[in-house]
Amino acid sequence: GAVVSQHPSRVICKSGTSVKIECRSLDFQATTMFWYRQFPKQSLMLMATSNEGSKATYEQGVEKDKFLINHASLTLSTLTVTSAHPEDSSFYICSARESNEQFFGPGTRLTVL
Amino acid sequence: GNSVTQMEGPVTLSEEAFLTINCTYTATGYPSLFWYVQYPGEGLQLLLKATKADDKGSNKGFEATYRKETTSFHLEKGSVQVSDSAVYFCALRANQAGTALIFGKGTTLSVSS
Repeated sequence: GAVVSQHPSRVICKSGTSVKIECRSLDFQATTMFWYRQFPKQSLMLMATSNEGSKATYEQGVEKDKFLINHASLTLSTLTVTSAHPEDSSFYICSARESNEQFFGPGTRLTVL
Repeated sequence: GNSVTQMEGPVTLSEEAFLTINCTYTATGYPSLFWYVQYPGEGLQLLLKATKADDKGSNKGFEATYRKETTSFHLEKGSVQVSDSAVYFCALRANQAGTALIFGKGTTLSVSS
């Protein structure tokens, strides 16, 4: 199947700093990518839908000014957590859509101190 | 809105035991239904899917049947192996272009020899 990568796999940052997470579709082009957040023992919560060349669509309750999403090319979407706080610590997973199927990255563990 | 409910884990079984993980959904219209699996340290992988009522998805000995009358998509396997130890997620996707998967909370399966 298609491969989606994420970088970094783990990041630790200080409160108040910004962190960028990259999501790449390695062997296909993805006009649509999705960003999820997963809390311990909870389901993946959809944060936003990212369409190449246009603004992301955020789910209700997700702050678009805090979680900046850029989908500048057909193989790359980035999620920037701005002014991170400890409550932003979580597991972030991206997904890219190809041929009516979603393929998932391995996730990024963010820890904000 | 659309939602997925799956049984709480963890599920602990001995090798060759029968597995059932219950999943029910709430959705308008006729969604597609999925089971994803997440092995330790890896990203989510599609295990099986069904796109309409009474369809049976199957893969690697796992099966699930789309039951519209009970809004269920229970996952079953007749004889589990240690290598099946993973987290299993039930998910749905509304049949609208560009919509994302909506996930249940996940069920951890642990199989011992």
